[in-house]
Amino acid sequence: AQTVTQSQPEMSVQEAETVTLSCTYDTSENNYYLFWYKQPPSRQMILVIRQEAYKQQNATENRFSVNFQKAAKSFSLKISDSQLGDTAMYFCASSSMDSNYQLIWGAGTKLIIKP
Amino acid sequence: ETGVTQSPTHLIKTRGQQVTLRCSSQSGHNTVSWYQQALGQGPQFIFQYYREEENGRGNFPPRFSGLQFPNYSSELNVNALELDDSALYLCASSSPMGTDTQYFGPGTRLTVL
Repeated sequence: AQTVTQSQPEMSVQEAETVTLSCTYDTSENNYYLFWYKQPPSRQMILVIRQEAYKQQNATENRFSVNFQKAAKSFSLKISDSQLGDTAMYFCASSSMDSNYQLIWGAGTKLIIKP
Repeated sequence: ETGVTQSPTHLIKTRGQQVTLRCSSQSGHNTVSWYQQALGQGPQFIFQYYREEENGRGNFPPRFSGLQFPNYSSELNVNALELDDSALYLCASSSPMGTDTQYFGPGTRLTVL
């Protein structure tokens, strides 16, 4: 069974700073996917970034990048030049073919960007 | 391209009642997954539908049931509502066989009194 752990319940940084959110996971699968989703107060879950486990290169999306350490089963999210609109809950999730790609979620990290 | 939509936005029911939540998948997506998110927690997988068939189920009792229609829209039905069913219910669609990323609707907030 897959598990996802986020050990930081809440973080806060000043606008324009860089922040890193931590995530560890456990899986026995070889082919799996890792995701970071953002959930602002509006509640809609928004995809931030996606990583395929078989790709060694870390995924990047504009100001968002990941540090994927496969051996350590670590998948952290770095947000550069943070903006007020980045304030949200951030969830780490994993999926795999063997589990019909159902998403397994961490408990989330509340990120607050201060002006 | 139309995104995932859900209705209603909010719903208040009393214990023992039945409820139906609806979801329209994103254009071109044939797989729909439902998740329950209790307050302050990460979502929990309820079930997934692919081409009108249930294609995986989480640890939820049989009173949680679903349907998928030929246009790939979906319903989540919950019978005999309990207080603990109060949560945000999220619908996500993906394509083709759930291998791609899941895109979420805005959710339905269900309150059971």
